[in-house]
Amino acid sequence: NAGVMQNPRHLVRRRGQEARLRCSPMKGHSHVYWYRQLPEEGLKFMVYLQKENIIDESGMPKERFSAEFPKEGPSILRIQQVVRGDSAAYFCASSPNGYSGNTIYFGEGSWLTVV
Amino acid sequence: AQSVTQLDSQVPVFEEAPVELRCNYSSSVSVYLFWYVQYPNQGLQLLLKYLSGSTLVESINGFEAEFNKSQTSFHLRKPSVHISDTAEYFCAVSETQTGANNLFFGTGTRLTVIP
Repeated sequence: NAGVMQNPRHLVRRRGQEARLRCSPMKGHSHVYWYRQLPEEGLKFMVYLQKENIIDESGMPKERFSAEFPKEGPSILRIQQVVRGDSAAYFCASSPNGYSGNTIYFGEGSWLTVV
Repeated sequence: AQSVTQLDSQVPVFEEAPVELRCNYSSSVSVYLFWYVQYPNQGLQLLLKYLSGSTLVESINGFEAEFNKSQTSFHLRKPSVHISDTAEYFCAVSETQTGANNLFFGTGTRLTVIP
């Protein structure tokens, strides 16, 4: 099953450390989206990327968060100097193109716990 | 800007009973509408979506939703629920005119089917 693959599934970091979350989109998909789900909340859009380009990062916190989707390899969401409030589930999704209305496919998520 | 309201955070219902999960949205532009389901510790899966045409859309597992433009609603219904339908359900919208699949999610409704 070549679905959206995320790793690690669970990650524990101490305050001040860095967290790196990886996402491999479905085969043939060149558009990647990152969403964050805080406890008891819905998913919030963070960033939309195509290969080597950030298309929309309007949902990304201004500091400590960055995302990339290189020509080769997975997309990476990087959180520097993590704080307790970063504890959440981070979901990656992909689609074959960027047309609104297309189904986007979600991975199973990466659960980050900051202690 | 869009917003999505799911009025019921939790809906308990007995097995084989009907259920309706409510979703209302607000947008200044035309939107596409989606329902996603999330089983415990898993990613979101598309249940159904409305893009255009018939306002009543159905999923393969017996759920249906009706787009009501005048009431800006997209309620999800099932005439007879199963234990396996226990999950969190998210309503989402995306603008039809943007090129990006930015989904705006509601806060979710946790459906619990009671044996």
